[in-house]
Amino acid sequence: GDSVTQMEGPVTLSEEAFLTINCTYTATGYPSLFWYVQYPGEGLQLLLKATKADDKGSNKGFEATYRKETTSFHLEKGSVQVSDSAVYFCALYFGNEKLTFGTGTRLTIIP
Amino acid sequence: EPEVTQTPSHQVTQMGQEVILRCVPISNHLYFYWYRQILGQKVEFLVSFYNNEISEKSEIFDDQFSVERPDGSNFTLKIRSTKLEDSAMYFCASSRTGVTQHFGDGTRLSIL
Repeated sequence: GDSVTQMEGPVTLSEEAFLTINCTYTATGYPSLFWYVQYPGEGLQLLLKATKADDKGSNKGFEATYRKETTSFHLEKGSVQVSDSAVYFCALYFGNEKLTFGTGTRLTIIP
Repeated sequence: EPEVTQTPSHQVTQMGQEVILRCVPISNHLYFYWYRQILGQKVEFLVSFYNNEISEKSEIFDDQFSVERPDGSNFTLKIRSTKLEDSAMYFCASSRTGVTQHFGDGTRLSIL
């Protein structure tokens, strides 16, 4: 079945460092791909999405490109801030109405 | 910006009791969902609801679970006889198109 594999956490970076959180997927076709973020004590917020190959989703300085050839949707940010500390979830949607989530990656940014 | 709201934020219930978790989806959305997240684990799909009926459910969503849209604004998840393993964060989500889903802040359910 469909699945999402995320980079194991936790990830700890210094402020202004470059961030990459890896996400790869397994699906029999071409799903829509999402990154959700969960700040401490809060729910899941949609961060960005891409619905077809080569699309780039972007929001709040974060970017991810839908790579069909590597079945990947890695999340990147050029310069992280303390306020980016959260848990990040990669997810796919494949027309069967449910989102399939990865395990989440906890990110901590140190001042 | 419109948002999904869930109540209560935290529910503590004795094992074997019934519990109802409530959600108010975004007003022009047509698709509604429940997910759960057991502490430290991934977010898991429970059920989707469209056009006043369940459209898909997971293996987790057994006979102890039910969903209802009792009026034009609320969407509820009922667990008939709670078990210890039902302790989790429960998220409601809604979508206008069925693709991009918007989540509430969740209800933390603790079964004693």
